Amino acid sequence: NAGVTQTPKFQVLKTGQSMTLQCAQDMNHEYMSWYRQDPGMGLRLIHYSVGAGITDQGEVPNGYNVSRSTTEDFPLRLLSAAPSQTSVYFCASSLNGAGTQYFGPGTRLLVL
Amino acid sequence: GDSVTQMEGPVTLSEEAFLTINCTYTATGYPSLFWYVQYPGEGLQLLLKATKADDKGSNKGFEATYRKETTSFHLEKGSVQVSDSAVYFCALSDRDGANSKLTFGKGITLSVRP
Repeated sequence: NAGVTQTPKFQVLKTGQSMTLQCAQDMNHEYMSWYRQDPGMGLRLIHYSVGAGITDQGEVPNGYNVSRSTTEDFPLRLLSAAPSQTSVYFCASSLNGAGTQYFGPGTRLLVL
Repeated sequence: GDSVTQMEGPVTLSEEAFLTINCTYTATGYPSLFWYVQYPGEGLQLLLKATKADDKGSNKGFEATYRKETTSFHLEKGSVQVSDSAVYFCALSDRDGANSKLTFGKGITLSVRP
């Protein structure tokens, strides 16, 4: 099992550009989520999904879109990047929201 | 809403010292409690968990006991090693079935000197 994979590992964007952060898992987990990690803030939930075709907002959803067309994939889209979105992004998956979450290695994003 | 409060860091210890990292929580109902660890340059991984009051989670020499009366889940290790240097996050999840979410504390950086 590869577990949870994320691409790219590092990305630099200019303000206003768009991009998609990829996340995939091969554990057949129904629950997937995206977090951002900022210094002194811990991890904050951006969006989550309890299964294919179902997504919901977390604590900090503004500026981000998600979709879940398959169980395996949960991409995060930035439609118009802003410097405030400079952060490290983690994708996670689990059997359900109450269980142990398995994290990907993260994507470090810098928006200039 | 739910919240997790961790002691302020960073923490620097000498090898073989005793470690305590405090964590308290606020939640409705009976959450599950977790400690996650993030080694440098990596994602988070589960260190230990407890799902009900008085449960003790343990792993790699670390322990934490779910104390409902004090709403705490403090992390302890009797003798830390240099390899324990990492960021430690306390977290809780409610038990709202499929819609449960993890709430994290801010994390604390532990550095262990040889």
